[in-house]
Amino acid sequence: QLQLQESGPGLVKPSETLSLTCTVSGDSISSGPYFWGWIRQSPGKGLEWIGSISYSGSTYYNPSLKSRVTKSLDTSKNQFFLELRSVTAADTAVYYCARHSNGWYEATYDYWGQGTLVTVSS
Amino acid sequence: DIQMTQSPSSVSASVGDRVTITCRASQTMASWLAWYQQKPGKAPTLLIYAASTLQSGVPSRFSGSGSGTDFTLTISSLQPEDSAFYYCHQARSFPPTFGQGTRLEIK
Repeated sequence: QLQLQESGPGLVKPSETLSLTCTVSGDSISSGPYFWGWIRQSPGKGLEWIGSISYSGSTYYNPSLKSRVTKSLDTSKNQFFLELRSVTAADTAVYYCARHSNGWYEATYDYWGQGTLVTVSS
Repeated sequence: DIQMTQSPSSVSASVGDRVTITCRASQTMASWLAWYQQKPGKAPTLLIYAASTLQSGVPSRFSGSGSGTDFTLTISSLQPEDSAFYYCHQARSFPPTFGQGTRLEIK
């Protein structure tokens, strides 16, 4: 059974960088043909797609966040990562990692992590 | 970005009732839309994709229909465990976007 687990600091100061890790178990993230995405959920903006990375390292980012986001993966550790720079209170949300197919186009998110709450506050 | 508007924002119904949730897109989606269910404190789970294809393991009381800009999620006979939030999701136009959600309560 595939499982995803987010980890990272629950509190980040404004203007700093939010860094999250998603650890995948039950299958290799490099086995293909899946993509590995990040989605966040906040009371103000609901569910928002952040971006995705393929097993081969191709990336897609939401244009609204693209200038601040970096995604990467470490196949040896079966992990993928999210970095969001210059955070503000508007970035406070529950962050989910998820597996999906088809890149961003017609993507279906079939496995999700439990989510991790990140609060941006000084 | 494509705006996805769900209605109603909240609905209350009794066990056994038929419930319909609507999602309207600001641009045509052809026949592709997904629906997710989310229970409190949990991640969303995929119910339906490609407007009407039931995800494996999802009860057959859930169904989806629609094309173009108007889509519906129907629960044919409401069960207590269906109390949740429901979200539509488009991934036909970049960037992918979600509806604002519909809260379904059991009377």
